Amino acid sequence: DVKVTQSSRYLVKRTGEKVFLECVQDMDHENMFWYRQDPGLGLRLIYFSYDVKMKEKGDIPEGYSVSREKKERFSLILESASTNQTSMYLCASSFAGPGTGYYNEQFFGPGTRLTVL
Amino acid sequence: KNEVEQSPQNLTAQEGEFITINCSYSVGISALHWLQQHPGGGIVSLFMLSSGKKKHGRLIATINIQEKHSSLHITASHPRDSAVYICAVKKVAGATNKLIFGTGTLLAVQP
Repeated sequence: DVKVTQSSRYLVKRTGEKVFLECVQDMDHENMFWYRQDPGLGLRLIYFSYDVKMKEKGDIPEGYSVSREKKERFSLILESASTNQTSMYLCASSFAGPGTGYYNEQFFGPGTRLTVL
Repeated sequence: KNEVEQSPQNLTAQEGEFITINCSYSVGISALHWLQQHPGGGIVSLFMLSSGKKKHGRLIATINIQEKHSSLHITASHPRDSAVYICAVKKVAGATNKLIFGTGTLLAVQP
């Protein structure tokens, strides 16, 4: 079974703190994704990575950065946490496809519920 | 207007009822993904569809590419089916493996 793990299920931080969310997958997937999920808005893509050290902005990258130094690990960084970043954060991974129109199933981690006070 | 719309947003059913959740999209797609999320839990994949119909246990998913519409059916519903059901699509011309998500349907099945 594919396993995607996230470093914390629940996290409470203070405004201005630097926050690291870690995601690890064990299936040698090329693609990794960070989403945030908010009521009424669904899942929104923050960043994704299609290879080590490669990243692309998603729909809402402002206030976030990412790091992918190893294929199995994708980190989301909140440089200076703010209250509007209180949310559920979900990581996902998938194999790459042969072209832009192709889709390989994404596998999701359990999520990290981040509260910024 | 969202590119992926789900209806209803909230659904309450009695145990044993037949349930239908709808997903409409406005873009050309190469695949549609139905996902389930239990309260406080992660997201699990139910079905991936590009045409036709798929069945797994009490769950059935259908897609009509011409009408840009998909349905998820649950037969003989049970309280353990209570969850958020999410529809997501992969655009034909979109970035590799990037999905567009609906806002989800919250299902509560009462005993």
